[in-house]
Amino acid sequence: EVQLVETGGGLIQPGGSLRLSCAASGFTVSSNYMSWVRQAPGKGLEWVSVIYSGGSTYYADSVKGRFTISRDNSKNTLYLQMNSLRAEDTAVYYCARAGVYAILSWGQGTLVTVSS
Amino acid sequence: DIQMTQSPSSVSASVGDRVTITCRASQGISSWLAWYQQKPGKAPKLLIYAASSLQSGVPSRFSGSGSGTDFTLTISSLQPEDFATYYCQQANSFPQLTFGGGTKVEIK
Repeated sequence: EVQLVETGGGLIQPGGSLRLSCAASGFTVSSNYMSWVRQAPGKGLEWVSVIYSGGSTYYADSVKGRFTISRDNSKNTLYLQMNSLRAEDTAVYYCARAGVYAILSWGQGTLVTVSS
Repeated sequence: DIQMTQSPSSVSASVGDRVTITCRASQGISSWLAWYQQKPGKAPKLLIYAASSLQSGVPSRFSGSGSGTDFTLTISSLQPEDFATYYCQQANSFPQLTFGGGTKVEIK
């Protein structure tokens, strides 16, 4: 059974940094497209980043230069390093296993709140 | 960037009703469209991919149609567990995915 478990969310001050982790089971992270998608409170879904099986990475313009997606193959874990955080980054962050057409599996999400 | 516009933003319906949600892309996306269902406090769930392909395990009362710029999600006979928010998502510009604004299906 595919399972994705995010950790690392919390309250952080503007300008601060946070690293989210996503532990995967039931499949191999390094063999899949792995994404982060976020959802601000009461708002819709926003794609954030993806890492390909080959290691290529892509980012939404809103986070480019501030966020870094990576993975640890030995731990079968996906990460999102978030720097220079802003109030508008406040959201539930979902880890996701993506296919070419769509997102196939989602984690339960972890809440990041950027506030002073 | 491709923009996705859903309508209506909310719909009130009764159990057994047929419900139709539309999604329009700002440019042609062929059949690179997916639909998701999200219940409060939960992660989204994939319903339809490639515009009209039903994801495994999803009830057959859900169906999708369309290509190019105009797409439709239909629930043929609304069930109590179907009250939720539905999102469309384009993958034509993969890896950059874009979601619609959502349609909330509420109990009349």
